[in-house]
Parts: sequence; structure tokens; C-alpha cells
Amino acid sequence: GENVEQHPSTLSVQEGDSAVIKCTYSDSASNYFPWYKQELGKGPQLIIDIRSNVGEKKDQRIAVTLNKTAKHFSLHITETQPEDSAVYFCAASTNAGGTSYGKLTFGQGTILTVHP
Amino acid sequence: DVKVTQSSRYLVKRTGEKVFLECVQDMDHENMFWYRQDPGLGLRLIYFSYDVKMKEKGDIPEGYSVSREKKERFSLILESASTNQTSMYLCASSFSRGWGLNQPQHFGDGTRLSIL
Repeated sequence: GENVEQHPSTLSVQEGDSAVIKCTYSDSASNYFPWYKQELGKGPQLIIDIRSNVGEKKDQRIAVTLNKTAKHFSLHITETQPEDSAVYFCAASTNAGGTSYGKLTFGQGTILTVHP
Repeated sequence: DVKVTQSSRYLVKRTGEKVFLECVQDMDHENMFWYRQDPGLGLRLIYFSYDVKMKEKGDIPEGYSVSREKKERFSLILESASTNQTSMYLCASSFSRGWGLNQPQHFGDGTRLSIL
């Protein structure tokens, strides 16, 4: 089955700096890669996602890049703010339908701390 | 907005008890999922369901069962609770859009379960 590795496990930056979180996946059939942010006491919330037919996607201060050949994808947060402090999870999924039904395999998570 | 509601935020049970965790979604999603979240391990899939009365094992189904009698409700059952099932449990739901069109999963805020 799919295996997703996420690094680093903790990341500490100063406000205004950029933060990068990297994930690798094992199943070349994976074609959907969401990123989730989990704040304390809350469930994970989708912040951005990318499909395998796209190499990069951006939404304001957040961007995701995908390298299908190397089987890795990354989350980039620019101009970080204290409210970006949270746990971030990457995930990978193969096709919906069939027997996968959009099943996600998650990375281990990254604790991001943004210091004012 | 999609709302996924988990019936309890905190639950304390005793070893050997039968435990029910309930999840309800209000967006008519076909797919529903149960995960457990442990530090350093990310989110691991226990069971999922793609239709009423249908269920599939995830990566760690041992010691758990599920029930989906209505489309909006998905229950996780610990048949005989053990201390190693102390964890955060997260429920999620998603649309099913057909082959190759994975859709984001929407999460509840979790149930922190302690087994004494």
C-alpha cells in the first residue's frame, strides 16, 4: 500500500520567514495530494490540494509543488505569521471509485511554530 | 459549510467495556471515514464506508467495528476496549465524484478517548 513520509517533524521559524514542509510517497498511482492544518483542539482542515496533472498551485501565502518523477511534494508558506502555528499534515490518494473511494494516507505531521 | 459532528469531545471508559463513537455529517456525503491520531504516527485509517451498510477495512481495523445504517451517520465500535485504544479519534466525510476525481475529506473535531 501507499506510504507517505513527512519531514521535518518540528519546524520553528521567525515571523515573516518562509516555511517549507516536504513529503514523499511510494505509490506512483497516487494522483491527489491535500495538505491539512490542525489547530489545537480542532480537527484537520484542508488548506490546499493539488492533483497530479498540475506541478504547482498557489493560494495567497501558501503554495504546493509536486514532482511526480521523484514522488515528492512540498508545502511552502511565505511571510509566516503566529497564527500559522499548528500541526500540518500531507496526504496522498489514488483514484476515487473502485475500492479506494478517495482513501487518504497521511504523513506523520509537522509541528510548525512561528515566533513573533 | 460542511459540518461533521462527533458526539463527544472527551470520553473515559474502562477496560473491557463496549464503546460507541458517533459521527454525523450534514452534506449528504457518500464516503465516511474513521481515523485514530497518535503523536508521531499521523492519522491512521481504521475503517471507511462508501455507502449505507457498506464498509471496508482500513490499515488498523483490529479491535474495531463500524456501523452505517443511515447515510449521514457513521459509528465506530470498540468491541472490548483496551488501554492501547486510548487515542484521539477523528471522523471525516467526502463526496464521491467518480473515477480519478478524489475529493477533500472534511473532519470533525475529534473525540479524545481514554481507556482506564
